[in-house]
Amino acid sequence: AQSVTQLDSHVSVSEGTPVLLRCNYSSSYSPSLFWYVQHPNKGLQLLLKYTSAATLVKGINGFEAEFKKSETSFHLTKPSAHMSDAAEYFCVVSVPTGGFKTIFGAGTRLFVKA
Amino acid sequence: SQTIHQWPATLVQPVGSPLSLECTVEGTSNPNLYWYRQAAGRGLQLLFYSVGIGQISSEVPQNLSASRPQDRQFILSSKKLLLSDSGFYLCAWSSGNTGELFFGEGSRLTVL
Repeated sequence: AQSVTQLDSHVSVSEGTPVLLRCNYSSSYSPSLFWYVQHPNKGLQLLLKYTSAATLVKGINGFEAEFKKSETSFHLTKPSAHMSDAAEYFCVVSVPTGGFKTIFGAGTRLFVKA
Repeated sequence: SQTIHQWPATLVQPVGSPLSLECTVEGTSNPNLYWYRQAAGRGLQLLFYSVGIGQISSEVPQNLSASRPQDRQFILSSKKLLLSDSGFYLCAWSSGNTGELFFGEGSRLTVL
């Protein structure tokens, strides 16, 4: 069975400090992993994706994530938070079972304080 | 390049009224199409997906239905809305190669 757990429902950081959003997954297959960002009343935008190439993945807006198979984790990081990073972030697992089965995490709301 | 359009952006409807949300994709052919619902403060719930014209799979039982009359058109409908149908509806497409989803801007539905 496949599952995704975002370990924090809310994360609050100060502007200019590092961001860490945690995600653990479970999969019987070799998964593709994604992070999406959603600003209020907007659709989801892809930040980055892991599809079995390099384990350290760089995305847009300075975000990156590292796939750690031994820890079944795919945490999202950014060295320095910006006010515009305040949004909801979703970790997503996709596995190739009769097409693709996509499982969304519950989301982490990121607050950035001035 | 591929684009996805979803409308209307916002909708306020009385209980018992019908619903039609439309989604179209441009710049690709034979996409997989999806309808998700996002209730306030909650994650995404897959409602329907389609791998081809006229092929609809439902993930949850409810009073909503979906149709795919053309390759790049996906419609979400209801004959009689319930209060619980309120939420943010998202259309998405994928090419089926990597599982990556591309989302529309969403439709905010409020049922009063």
